[in-house]
This record gives sequence, C-alpha cells and structure tokens, in this order.
Amino acid sequence: DTGVSQDPRHKITKRGQNVTFRCDPISEHNRLYWYRQTLGQGPEFLTYFQNEAQLEKSRLLSDRFSAERPKGSFSTLEIQRTEQGDSAMYLCASSLDSSGRSEQFFGPGTRLTVL
Amino acid sequence: DAKTTQPPSMDCAEGRAANLPCNHSTISGNEYVYWYRQIHSQGPQYIIHGLKNNETNEMASLIITEDRKSSTLILPHATLRDTAVYYCIVSLHGSSNTGKLIFGQGTTLQVKP
Repeated sequence: DTGVSQDPRHKITKRGQNVTFRCDPISEHNRLYWYRQTLGQGPEFLTYFQNEAQLEKSRLLSDRFSAERPKGSFSTLEIQRTEQGDSAMYLCASSLDSSGRSEQFFGPGTRLTVL
Repeated sequence: DAKTTQPPSMDCAEGRAANLPCNHSTISGNEYVYWYRQIHSQGPQYIIHGLKNNETNEMASLIITEDRKSSTLILPHATLRDTAVYYCIVSLHGSSNTGKLIFGQGTTLQVKP
C-alpha cells in the first residue's frame, strides 16, 4: 500500500455512459498525475496538477475527459460518453515536489471496461 | 515517445542477481535515470534513480556508464516476488518541470525457481 487510493477499483459501463473516478493522494503531496494503461503497454501520461491547478494535459485527453482537483487534495477524472476505446486501467500518482523529482507513488488503479 | 530502449523480456534464476540493461543514448546532461517496476495488476512502484553516480538502496543498485548513454539495474538476489515489468525512464528535475513519466514497453523479468 503506497498511501494513494483510488475508487472504484473496477468499473463496467455501457458505451455512451459517463463515469467518474476518484483519487486520494498522500496527504502532503502537492503534485498529482493521471495515467492510462492499456493491455500490454506502459502507462501513458494524461494530466498533471500542482495543488489545485491543472498545469499540463496530454493530447490523449480528449474533450470527453475532464479532471479536477478542487482543493488541492483529492482528484476526480470524468469521462463523458464513454467509448469502447476508453477501456483501460486509469492510474493516479502523487509526489512531493521539492525540485521536480519524478519519484511518484501510484495507486492501485481503476480498471474501466466499456461494453 | 520514450527515450529509452530495453529488451522485452529476461529470465533470472531465483537467488541470482538480475541485471536489467537500458539504453538512453540521447539523454541530456540534466536528465536523471529512473527505474520503476509494475507487478501484475498493480500500479508502478518506484525503485531507484540517479544522475551519473552509481546508486544503491534497499531494493536495488543502479549502475550508469560514464558517458551516461546506458545503465543497468541490479537486483542482487532475485526472488519470485521480483517477477514484474521493469521500466527505465529518463526525466528532468527542477521545480519548473512537471515530473511526468514517459513509459516505454519495459522489460518483463521472469524469476524462475
């Protein structure tokens, strides 16, 4: 257990439905990241928050995806109008920025299946 | 795209040292080498990182060549629980950098009894 939790761990939904995932980082960590991982591939960066500010978004993050970190603590990732291609593991990670180190602590992930 | 190249798979006998190579020939002077691993169905786990000196912690050792174009992660006494995908990543430091990780395909290490 790294101290980063994600909820739910598994989500099955039908195409066209909206889904929302939650990530609770380690409490003092000011940096939060979302990644997506499809079967057989390494994780791909989606977006990054420093405190409550979303400072970078990948091209992978289409306009159907939105992420928030309202109080600089937990974060949510919402996917609207899900497609089968959204089926993946969604990983959250956090880190304590001192000099931009990349030592990140990952949660267990939320596995999304879109039918 | 990932800036590293790793063999897709390796085997290691339990109790022996596992040496995982990584090529990062285009690494810039201020980029660090990071290693993560991912055990099946879990999130990635940080192992170790370094700039140019060799590093050791309780999990592993990292050997970086003098020209910094390649490195080797060493697990000194591999156990069955070390079976995982190992990722070598280069990343900039600095408060202006996001610290995002660019993962490649990694090396699947199979530790055998």
